[in-house]
Amino acid sequence: QVQLIQSGAEVKKPGASVKVSCKIPGYTLTELSIHWVRQAPGKGLEWMAGFDPGDGKTFHAQMLQGRVTLSVDTTSDTVYMELSSLTSEDTAVYYCAHWGALGGFDSWGQGTLVTVS
Amino acid sequence: QSVLTQPPSVSAAPGQRISISCSGRGSNIGKNPVSWYQQFPGTAPKLLIYDSDKRPSGIPDRFSGSKSATSATLGITGLQTGDEADYSCATWDSTLNVMVFGGGTKLTVL
Repeated sequence: QVQLIQSGAEVKKPGASVKVSCKIPGYTLTELSIHWVRQAPGKGLEWMAGFDPGDGKTFHAQMLQGRVTLSVDTTSDTVYMELSSLTSEDTAVYYCAHWGALGGFDSWGQGTLVTVS
Repeated sequence: QSVLTQPPSVSAAPGQRISISCSGRGSNIGKNPVSWYQQFPGTAPKLLIYDSDKRPSGIPDRFSGSKSATSATLGITGLQTGDEADYSCATWDSTLNVMVFGGGTKLTVL
């Protein structure tokens, strides 16, 4: 099973950006389908964006279009999610998750709390 | 407002069976397989069901999934107090080209 290790909690001011990392040792990152899912306090899961290695495309939730950027650093086995123009509504736990070959998010990071205040 | 509709809560006594519904539309559940997740407070979700009706290794056969037209259902038999958690469904929406989740259902085992 893929192991995903996320960076620690962040506190940001409104209007700032946050970059959350997800370290995935032992894999060729460009061959993995890694997605980002967030959960606001007391709310349900919300998919943000994901990478499809089959065609090399990145997909984004429409309401986050233009504010979320996914990137990969193969030298450090790390994927990143950067979210810009933060507001209080972006306060949430952010998860990276692996979409398995058979379907479903079969591995998850431990979550990163981002507080915008 | 989530694209997929789930009841906010369900409850039952230990040993009983429950079903949690997940209602969508033709562009999502109607075209793509559904996955289900179990989440305890303060922890990451865990995959329970993939490809609408298949269990990953290690998931007890008390958990089952099914899909029909634009709806999916998670079933849990022999309820245990340890099953108290939030359960969410998810699938791909082929029109929007996004992954969509249900709003989640809180299971209480009385």
